[in-house]
Amino acid sequence: QVQLVQSGTEVKKPGASVTVSCKASGYTFTSFFIHWVRQAPGQGLEWMAIINPSSRSITYAQKLQGRVTMTRDTSTSTVYMELSSLRSEDTAVYYCARGSGSSGGEMDVWGKGTTVTVSS
Amino acid sequence: QSVLTQPPSASGTPGQRVAISCSGSSSNIGSNTVNWYQQLPGTAPKLVIYSNNQRPSGVPDRFSGSKSGTSASLAISGLQSEDEADYYCAAWDDSLNGWVFGGGAKLTVL
Repeated sequence: QVQLVQSGTEVKKPGASVTVSCKASGYTFTSFFIHWVRQAPGQGLEWMAIINPSSRSITYAQKLQGRVTMTRDTSTSTVYMELSSLRSEDTAVYYCARGSGSSGGEMDVWGKGTTVTVSS
Repeated sequence: QSVLTQPPSASGTPGQRVAISCSGSSSNIGSNTVNWYQQLPGTAPKLVIYSNNQRPSGVPDRFSGSKSGTSASLAISGLQSEDEADYYCAAWDDSLNGWVFGGGAKLTVL
């Protein structure tokens, strides 16, 4: 079945970086986009970035430009999201989601989420 | 403050019809399609409406979507207790060059 499996919980100190992985299975990895979306405790959803695994084309949210980096490994069907210069406001659950449709905007399959806590 | 505006809450009794609005601008809803997501407590979001009014397979036909101008709406008819969740609208924003979400609406089934 189609699924996205994310890496485990992370606890980081302010100023550090974190990398979260998202391994796709059950479909052709290069045929669909992958998004990253985060959700701070008790808050709504915030879109972070999208990658086209086939072309490696990436778009980042303006708010996170310069701090977030997405990469992909087609040999393992895995997408990575690195967030640097962490601050307490980055504490959130980070989700990866498969993007379908002509623009990749239909997030039709989601990972279970990775909790990232930033605390001194 | 979210780019797309949703009411923070909505409610209804079992069997009723409820609608959740999503207001945007010409750079997002006015020129792009809208998707809706359902998030049950403690779980990842789930796509329930795409391209304004299309239902993914497996989503009951009790769920419907519409769009007019710079606003969109999600309607749920024959309300059931398992519909109690947070609902988010989303669209591409041409000015921000990225996807934007509404702040979410918490649906309570009384």
